[in-house]
Amino acid sequence: SYELTQPPSVSVSPGQTARITCSGDVLPKKFVYWYQLKSGQAPVLVIYEDSKRPSGIPARFSGSSSGTTATLTISGAQVEDEADYYCYSTDSSGNDRDVFGPGTRVTVL
Amino acid sequence: QMQLVESGGGLVPPGGSLRLSCIASGFTFSHYGIHWVRQAPGKGLEWVALIRYDGDNKYYADFVKGRFTISRDNSKNTVFLQMNSLRPEDTAVYYCAKDHGYLGTYWYFDLWGRGTLLTVSS
Repeated sequence: SYELTQPPSVSVSPGQTARITCSGDVLPKKFVYWYQLKSGQAPVLVIYEDSKRPSGIPARFSGSSSGTTATLTISGAQVEDEADYYCYSTDSSGNDRDVFGPGTRVTVL
Repeated sequence: QMQLVESGGGLVPPGGSLRLSCIASGFTFSHYGIHWVRQAPGKGLEWVALIRYDGDNKYYADFVKGRFTISRDNSKNTVFLQMNSLRPEDTAVYYCAKDHGYLGTYWYFDLWGRGTLLTVSS
């Protein structure tokens, strides 16, 4: 398998922009996905295939990927965006045991 | 709407067994693979197992091979995770998650349940 790296925490004031990075040597060969986890709730896919937003996800969530680093951006963060965010990468082949990043706690206050 | 609901978690002594269930609704269950993903207390997410839509192919993380068995009953829209020889390090919230692939496998998760807690302790 391989490793992904994320910062443990990111803090932002309401209305400001939060950026969460995910780094890994395999990222040039794989898509990145971002999941939002809130305690007691079902995890939610917020970005898929590096930069695509599922229906129902607010437009303030965006994703990008370049080289070995992917970034989840929350533009105009809201209090309800406070959560843990995990990156995950796969090339959909099933050849690797794809892994999650360690997660980033986003605090909005 | 599409939904996954896990059940079956609880307190089990080391070496014990337990079976988790995941019931799906709101989509054609037999067309999609289902994964189990876990999160130990204070830790990150960890993929556990996958069963493809037809049940013919199953995949496991190395740390559960030989101890856990994933299965499905498409007539009941349910996936099971039979867990044997449980260890304290298996303590976690176990989530089931739907694979994105239609009649195939994309190896990512587009719908999750709320999870069920397994505690392995004497």
